[in-house]
Amino acid sequence: KQEVTQIPAALSVPEGENLVLNCSFTDSAIYNLQWFRQDPGKGLTSLLLIQSSQREQTSGRLNASLDKSSGRSTLYIAASQPGDSATYLCGLDAGNMLTFGGGTRLMVKP
Amino acid sequence: GAGVSQSPRYKVAKRGQDVALRCDPISGHVSLFWYQQALGQGPEFLTYFQNEAQLDKSGLPSDRFFAERPEGSVSTLKIQRTQQEDSAVYLCASSAGRTDTQYFGPGTRLTVL
Repeated sequence: KQEVTQIPAALSVPEGENLVLNCSFTDSAIYNLQWFRQDPGKGLTSLLLIQSSQREQTSGRLNASLDKSSGRSTLYIAASQPGDSATYLCGLDAGNMLTFGGGTRLMVKP
Repeated sequence: GAGVSQSPRYKVAKRGQDVALRCDPISGHVSLFWYQQALGQGPEFLTYFQNEAQLDKSGLPSDRFFAERPEGSVSTLKIQRTQQEDSAVYLCASSAGRTDTQYFGPGTRLTVL
């Protein structure tokens, strides 16, 4: 059974810092990995999708990497802004579903 | 175009009542998923449809939970004889294909008293 862990569970940084969120998983037989953000009381917003054959994806200030051999993915956020404050979730697609980690709650202070 | 919509956004039920939660996926999306999210946790898979076929219902926690998508578009998640442990946010997602990006709706927050 796929298990997904996200560390840290919570993170508070001053505006402008670069930061890394971590996602580890136990089963490398995946189709893809998706990073989402979730604002309080809202659904999930897709940020990046990395296919199993890819190593990284970039969108604006976001860069996500995937290392299946070590069972890890990272989400790098450059020059963080208060609007980046949210919960970030990684979801692994290994079948008919996404398996999620518990999320990292990010607060960027002005 | 419109995203995934869900209704109602909030539902309060007395224990033992039946509830029905609706999901309108993005038009043309073949795949539809239901997830359950407890407070402070990541979503957990409930069930998956490809068009009108329910191909995976392994995540449904009990036989009180039932989902359908009769015409391959709108889906309904029904919970019979609700219990307090059913209180959660129920999220619906759709995707163009099985392994494509999943787009989530805003969720329905169910509170069982």
